Amino acid sequence: EDKVVQSPLSLVVHEGDTVTLNCSYEVTNFRSLLWYKQEKKAPTFLFMLTSSGIEKKSGRLSSILDKKELFSILNITATQTGDSAIYLCAANSGGSNYKLTFGKGTLLTVNP
Amino acid sequence: DGGITQSPKYLFRKEGQNVTLSCEQNLNHDAMYWYRQDPGQGLRLIYYSQIVNDFQKGDIAEGYSVSREKKESFPLTVTSAQKNPTAFYLCASSRSGSGELFFGEGSRLTVL
Repeated sequence: EDKVVQSPLSLVVHEGDTVTLNCSYEVTNFRSLLWYKQEKKAPTFLFMLTSSGIEKKSGRLSSILDKKELFSILNITATQTGDSAIYLCAANSGGSNYKLTFGKGTLLTVNP
Repeated sequence: DGGITQSPKYLFRKEGQNVTLSCEQNLNHDAMYWYRQDPGQGLRLIYYSQIVNDFQKGDIAEGYSVSREKKESFPLTVTSAQKNPTAFYLCASSRSGSGELFFGEGSRLTVL
């Protein structure tokens, strides 16, 4: 059975802190790993990672994949209150681009 | 603007009733999906469709049914056979061959 595990499940930090969110996966025929941000309702796409060791960056957010250790991290530097959200990790598996297995998410709260 | 529209946003039903959640997209995406999200849980795949007139069961299809008669539309029916239907339901779509999902705003179903 495909499995994606995120840690921590929740995290409270102060503005300006740097956070690291973790995602490990065990899936059949892994193709890619995706990160989403869910603030209120609709998750929005952050990153898709397919190759090990290549960091993807978008402003203060960055992510990297380790296909040997079956692991990905999402870093957020200089956090802001607007970063407060649930961060979802998902693995694309089964030899198909149509099936994603999601983790439970990390609830990040950034206090002023 | 292109996007995914789900309706209704909130829905209440009595036990034993079937309800249908609407999902329409104008992104010209081939693939569409239905996910269920419960508190503290990740997104779990109910059904997905890669092409018109074809759909596959996801991980938790029991008690649900779908149809895909048009490319733009992928309605989900929550039947009375679903034991715990109270949840937040998310519809998504993607381009053929892409793992990146675009989500609707969700429908929150409460069974009284």
